[in-house]
Amino acid sequence: DSGVTQTPKHLITATGQRVTLRCSPRSGDLSVYWYQQSLDQGLQFLIQYYNGEERAKGNILERFSAQQFPDLHSELNLSSLELGDSALYFCASSSQPGGQFMNTEAFFGQGTRLTVV
Amino acid sequence: AQKITQTQPGMFVQEKEAVTLDCTYDTSDPSYGLFWYKQPSSGEMIFLIYQGSYDQQNATEGRYSLNFQKARKSANLVISASQLGDSAMYFCAMREGGYGNKLVFGAGTILRVKS
Repeated sequence: DSGVTQTPKHLITATGQRVTLRCSPRSGDLSVYWYQQSLDQGLQFLIQYYNGEERAKGNILERFSAQQFPDLHSELNLSSLELGDSALYFCASSSQPGGQFMNTEAFFGQGTRLTVV
Repeated sequence: AQKITQTQPGMFVQEKEAVTLDCTYDTSDPSYGLFWYKQPSSGEMIFLIYQGSYDQQNATEGRYSLNFQKARKSANLVISASQLGDSAMYFCAMREGGYGNKLVFGAGTILRVKS
């Protein structure tokens, strides 16, 4: 058990809908990363938050947004869902913001498998 | 731009034998870190081993070792004494220095251990 909790584990929804994925990082970790894993794109970095602030942004669509709350949990909001958004969404946490902390391991949650029908 | 290449889509290895999973990377940043993760069929991502660009010694963690050849920009994972439980997808990833420093992943290699 990595200590990172993601809910829900599975989600099936229709095109055009909006969903929220939730992530609770490991106790004490201030950084949260979101990744998308799909068959055609592989593992793609979406966005990072550190202590409530956006730290880095990757290939995140405008239809997607995220935030990190004062209790450090994070939510990834996906709207106007399309079939191509079906993927496994991972949250990872680490204790450091990045930068010179090169060896900071990122602990991954079990992922939320999103199926858009 | 960062790039991680894993050229082996799938590998087979006999139980108790060693196997090497290839990873090459491309970066112009002198400061970077290389990671290997294991993803079993259940889906979770499990950290295996880390190598920093300035580390003089190759990293080892139990049955895992990282064959780091900086000049060739390769960071191959060696699994010794393979076990059936090693059957999984393996990802090589890189983190560069800088603000945030996300992990960039390769496409992965599926490893199947035969009994």
